[in-house]
Amino acid sequence: GAVVSQHPSRVICKSGTSVKIECRSLDFQATTMFWYRQFPKQSLMLMATSNEGSKATYEQGVEKDKFLINHASLTLSTLTVTSAHPEDSSFYICSAQRSGGATDTQYFGPGTRLTVL
Amino acid sequence: DQQVKQNSPSLSVQEGRISILNCDYTNSMFDYFLWYKKYPAEGPTFLISISSIKDKNEDGRFTVFLNKSAKHLSLHIVPSQPGDSAVYFCAATPEVVGSQGNLIFGKGTKLSVKP
Repeated sequence: GAVVSQHPSRVICKSGTSVKIECRSLDFQATTMFWYRQFPKQSLMLMATSNEGSKATYEQGVEKDKFLINHASLTLSTLTVTSAHPEDSSFYICSAQRSGGATDTQYFGPGTRLTVL
Repeated sequence: DQQVKQNSPSLSVQEGRISILNCDYTNSMFDYFLWYKKYPAEGPTFLISISSIKDKNEDGRFTVFLNKSAKHLSLHIVPSQPGDSAVYFCAATPEVVGSQGNLIFGKGTKLSVKP
């Protein structure tokens, strides 16, 4: 199977601090990774598409200077929430796209629960 | 404006019976549809998918039906098992068949299967 990990699984921080979330594809290479955010009782919302070695593509309404994405290698993408505020509190989920075969399948990480005090 | 709608936030079914989860979409450019299952504090797990050129795809206890003219799809689980209790997300993508980039998710339906 394809495994995607996220670290940390849960983080609590003070308002104004920055938080980095890591997303790793453990047993496959992912040229494309996606970052989603989910508020309670809402759907998963795509924040940005991250391609290895190039700048991330952000969805409309997502501040690129606030949500910094780095896809430094084929197995690692990081999301940094800069100057976090309570309204950034959410469940952040990454997915890694595995290419090849009949379909390109997205495999999701377990998510990171961010709470900003 | 939600492009993918799951109008039932929850569904309760008796073990052994059929669970039917519904999903409607508005964008006629959607080409590929997927269902994901999600347990609390975990990421979604891919369950089954269907491309717009088909109207049915079956995998074990799971069958997805697509009605393009009605812009409606449904996931049937039969027989339902207590372990199926989870939140089910419908997702769609306007990408070409086989690519799952840029998924657009519904809000999910929480399925509870009672023993």
